[in-house]
Amino acid sequence: EAGVVQSPRYKIIEKKQPVAFWCNPISGHNTLYWYRQNLGQGPELLIRYENEEAVDDSQLPKDRFSAERLKGVDSTLKIQPAELGDSAVYLCASSLDSMGYGYTFGSGTRLTVV
Amino acid sequence: ELKVEQNPLFLSMQEGKNYTIYCNYSTTSDRLYWYRQDPGKSLESLFVLLSNGAVKQEGRLMASLDTKARLSTLHITAAVHDLSATYFCAVDSNDYKLSFGAGTTVTVRA
Repeated sequence: EAGVVQSPRYKIIEKKQPVAFWCNPISGHNTLYWYRQNLGQGPELLIRYENEEAVDDSQLPKDRFSAERLKGVDSTLKIQPAELGDSAVYLCASSLDSMGYGYTFGSGTRLTVV
Repeated sequence: ELKVEQNPLFLSMQEGKNYTIYCNYSTTSDRLYWYRQDPGKSLESLFVLLSNGAVKQEGRLMASLDTKARLSTLHITAAVHDLSATYFCAVDSNDYKLSFGAGTTVTVRA
């Protein structure tokens, strides 16, 4: 069974440029999460989806971040424009249901903003 | 806001000896997770603890949960080099949001 797939693995961009990350969750997993992990810290939730609905986006900086999950499967996280402080690893995770049992994390996208 | 504190943040282990990592959290929760992360890699699930008194063991690792004390421990028995990694605990705040500790970076030396 394929795990949570993320792309790209690495991205280097100049500040003020846009960037997008893609996530394909485990088949059948209705709940999808985007986390941000700063260097030397634990991941922090940005947004949680139940199918195609964003049910918790309270931690998403909405002035520059946006996300979508069309058809309740793949998801895209976008930053526009990127700032130096956005440099981090962006992790996608999915679980079978909203109880969070069996969280599976993807390999992450390491973003460097220069 | 749920706060999760791990200690120590850095742990240098000698092969063959036993060590414990502690995870304290600030509000009531019945679900606690332990993850392992190797450098440049994603998070690998180690244990899911779902009730007070839960104890789970896998190889040299054993995790336990005391919900009354809001404390979980990850015990490492007879450390080996392969256990070098960063270990995170994460607590579900009952609103389907995982809050992570800062992580414990473990280095096992001969």
